[in-house]
Amino acid sequence: QKEVEQDPGPLSVPEGAIVSLNCTYSNSAFQYFMWYRQYSRKGPELLMYTYSSGNKEDGRFTAQVDKSSKYISLFIRDSQPSDSATYLCAMSVNYGQNFVFGPGTRLSVLP
Amino acid sequence: GAVVSQHPSWVICKSGTSVKIECRSLDFQATTMFWYRQFPKQSLMLMATSNEGSKATYEQGVEKDKFLINHASLTLSTLTVTSAHPEDSSFYICSAPGTTRIQETQYFGPGTRLLVL
Repeated sequence: QKEVEQDPGPLSVPEGAIVSLNCTYSNSAFQYFMWYRQYSRKGPELLMYTYSSGNKEDGRFTAQVDKSSKYISLFIRDSQPSDSATYLCAMSVNYGQNFVFGPGTRLSVLP
Repeated sequence: GAVVSQHPSWVICKSGTSVKIECRSLDFQATTMFWYRQFPKQSLMLMATSNEGSKATYEQGVEKDKFLINHASLTLSTLTVTSAHPEDSSFYICSAPGTTRIQETQYFGPGTRLLVL
């Protein structure tokens, strides 16, 4: 079993749809959870950061962490074609330590 | 937010030559930087952790004599791909943990695309 698994992929949705991206993990020691967006041929950029369990909202994006289920989600409301990218979840045990990344989900939002 | 730059953004070289990639933290200091490589449609794979003033820590399977890392200052880490071969062609990305109020995460450089002919 991989340390971090990401589901689903690839994903195509119409503009305006609500998108749900998910990751599961096996290491219960993870405390820091991130979502990164990566456009083609670019470095990843941080979208959302969450420490421990709970929800965090930023504009059209909502991140959820359920440590009891070892499951994290990213929701995108009113999706736009500009949201088309690969979304990577990442997590770490302690600050400053290397993050473990999920394999990524490629999202296409169709106009 | 914090900015990490990489140079060059892309490079083409002949097989057998060495290529140096620079990673700089522009507005913060980074005692640690991470180097990743990414193949098309795949996720980031950690190669090594670069530590300022000490030796880098390499992940299993990464040849330290082939991928030389030097963390010369608190804002600069370099990755040198020695005697590059076509199989080394990849997208190389560095990152650095933020500090002070942005210490919760890592900030990534824009990446360097290497093509070895």
